[in-house]
Amino acid sequence: TQLLEQSPQFLSIQEGENLTVYCNSSSVFSSLQWYRQEPGEGPVLLVTVVTGGEVKKLKRLTFQFGDARKDSSLHITAAQPGDTGLYLCAGERRGAQKLVFGQGTRLTINP
Amino acid sequence: EPEVTQTPSHQVTQMGQEVILRCVPISNHLYFYWYRQILGQKVEFLVSFYNNEISEKSEIFDDQFSVERPDGSNFTLKIRSTKLEDSAMYFCASSELGTGGTEAFFGQGTRLTVV
Repeated sequence: TQLLEQSPQFLSIQEGENLTVYCNSSSVFSSLQWYRQEPGEGPVLLVTVVTGGEVKKLKRLTFQFGDARKDSSLHITAAQPGDTGLYLCAGERRGAQKLVFGQGTRLTINP
Repeated sequence: EPEVTQTPSHQVTQMGQEVILRCVPISNHLYFYWYRQILGQKVEFLVSFYNNEISEKSEIFDDQFSVERPDGSNFTLKIRSTKLEDSAMYFCASSELGTGGTEAFFGQGTRLTVV
């Protein structure tokens, strides 16, 4: 079973603070995708990382794929209330036509 | 911007009834997927579809489920005899290619409620 464990599951911080969300597995993935999901809606793709050690930046969000391609992190700098939401990581193994999702991190940024 | 569209947004059905959930994937995409998310739980893979056949399916996708691409644009999920535990959000997704970091784009979902 390919499990992706996200931590923390819940995070509530003040506007302006920095935070990191982790996505870990014992399995190797060919790629890892980060999504954001609003209540009652589908996951919206933020970024895909494919190379071990890869770092991608999307404005205040920094995504990193572990060297061994078993883990990933999402770092948000100077969090804003608009960052509030459910963040999901999802991994894809080579040859498998499916994504395995983590359970999500529910992030709340308080003004 | 191209998007995956799903209909209906909400479906209520009686236990034992058949339901068909519909999806229009992004037009140049070749791989299609169905996922579901029971309230408060993880998004779970159901099935992937390529070249008019199932390429992979999960253990959730039993004989009660089927998928079809009846024409060049629609991709459907049929549940033959719904059970209470089929109540969930069902998401359709599509990707241009299969594995190797190809991004999957999700629809807004259909909320299925079985009563």
